Amino acid sequence: EPEVTQTPSHQVTQMGQEVILRCVPISNHLYFYWYRQILGQKVEFLVSFYNNEISEKSEIFDDQFSVERPDGSNFTLKIRSTKLEDSAMYFCATSRQGASEKLFFGSGTQLSVL
Amino acid sequence: AQSVTQPDIHITVSEGASLELRCNYSYGATPYLFWYVQSPGQGLQLLLKYFSGDTLVQGIKGFEAEFKRSQSSFNLRKPSVHWSDAAEYFCAVGEDDKIIFGKGTRLHILP
Repeated sequence: EPEVTQTPSHQVTQMGQEVILRCVPISNHLYFYWYRQILGQKVEFLVSFYNNEISEKSEIFDDQFSVERPDGSNFTLKIRSTKLEDSAMYFCATSRQGASEKLFFGSGTQLSVL
Repeated sequence: AQSVTQPDIHITVSEGASLELRCNYSYGATPYLFWYVQSPGQGLQLLLKYFSGDTLVQGIKGFEAEFKRSQSSFNLRKPSVHWSDAAEYFCAVGEDDKIIFGKGTRLHILP
């Protein structure tokens, strides 16, 4: 089965630093998502992205967050100035036809903000 | 906004026993419903989904789920669990261009 690849698998950063989490979607997928899961809590929606623009975002996705596809293949999530509460597992997901179809999830990036 | 509720945080069953994980949703129309599984250190994998039609949905790994509109439920079942089924299970509902997850049920298997 095709896979969504996320790098790095673990990221440790100091509070206030910028981080970029990377995702390589499945090649024919057009819809991209970021979710996060704080330890012991549920998986929360952050943002959806289609046709090179954000289609929906949650209240968690504030001005400190941004997404882009810088080279038409990678899909990145940037956190400009990390806070302690940003520590979580971040999952990228992609789909051919949107949320009504199967979402393929990556294995996640564990972000630890110190 | 739509939501899903998974009332059981932890469930423990013996290997070979049957399993039912509960999920209730809130949505006015017919929802898109999903069950995902997350094994330790892994991403989420789709087990099955319901959009319309037959209310009993078959999924991978021997799982099935039944959509019951009268009860607003979409419970996941398996007739005989294996030790490898130990994982976290998430019920989810589609809303606009995203899916919303429940809080999850952690399944423990006794040998």
